[in-house]
Amino acid sequence: QVQLQESGPGLVKPSGTLSLTCAVSGGSISSNNWWSWVRQPPGKGLEWIGEMYHSGSTNYNPSLNSRVTISLDKSKNQFSLKLTSVTAADTAVYYCGRKSWSGGYYDYWGQGTLVTVSS
Amino acid sequence: DIQMTQSPSSLSASVGDRVTITCRASQSISRSLNWYQQRPGKAPNLLVYAASSLQSGVPSRFSGSGSGTDFTLTISSLQPEDFATYYCQQSYSTPTFGQGTKLEIK
Repeated sequence: QVQLQESGPGLVKPSGTLSLTCAVSGGSISSNNWWSWVRQPPGKGLEWIGEMYHSGSTNYNPSLNSRVTISLDKSKNQFSLKLTSVTAADTAVYYCGRKSWSGGYYDYWGQGTLVTVSS
Repeated sequence: DIQMTQSPSSLSASVGDRVTITCRASQSISRSLNWYQQRPGKAPNLLVYAASSLQSGVPSRFSGSGSGTDFTLTISSLQPEDFATYYCQQSYSTPTFGQGTKLEIK
């Protein structure tokens, strides 16, 4: 059974950098899947942030593109998110997820971690 | 970006009711449409993929249909655990989600 677990600071200062890691267990990060980040502001819907394939290919949400970097660490079987120049609008629950390469659906998710941007 | 619009935004129903939620895409997405259930404080859970394929372990009272721009998720007989928020997601291009439909107890 594949499991994903997010970790990282729960509080980030405005203009700072949000950094999260997603540890993958029960499966390889080198498998045929996209490794993704999705966020959900409090009381709102889901927003796709971006994704990375084990080959190094990435796709990012155009609205966040200039601020987002997703990377993979195959040796640790984990992937990471960096979001720079954060504001209060970036306050959200951040989920990592596995997206099927063939079907494009998210079949495994982390439990989510709340990141608050505040001074 | 492909925009996804769900209707209704919220819905009140009773246990045993048949419920249908609609998702419309801003352009044709063939059958590249997935449905998720999200309970409060939990991650989304995949229900249906490719418009009508039921994910393993999902009860058969859930079903999906549609193609092109119009899709539906139907719950044939509501159970207490089905009261949650439902999201559609297109996988035709870079992913986008609908705004959600909150299903509440009447």
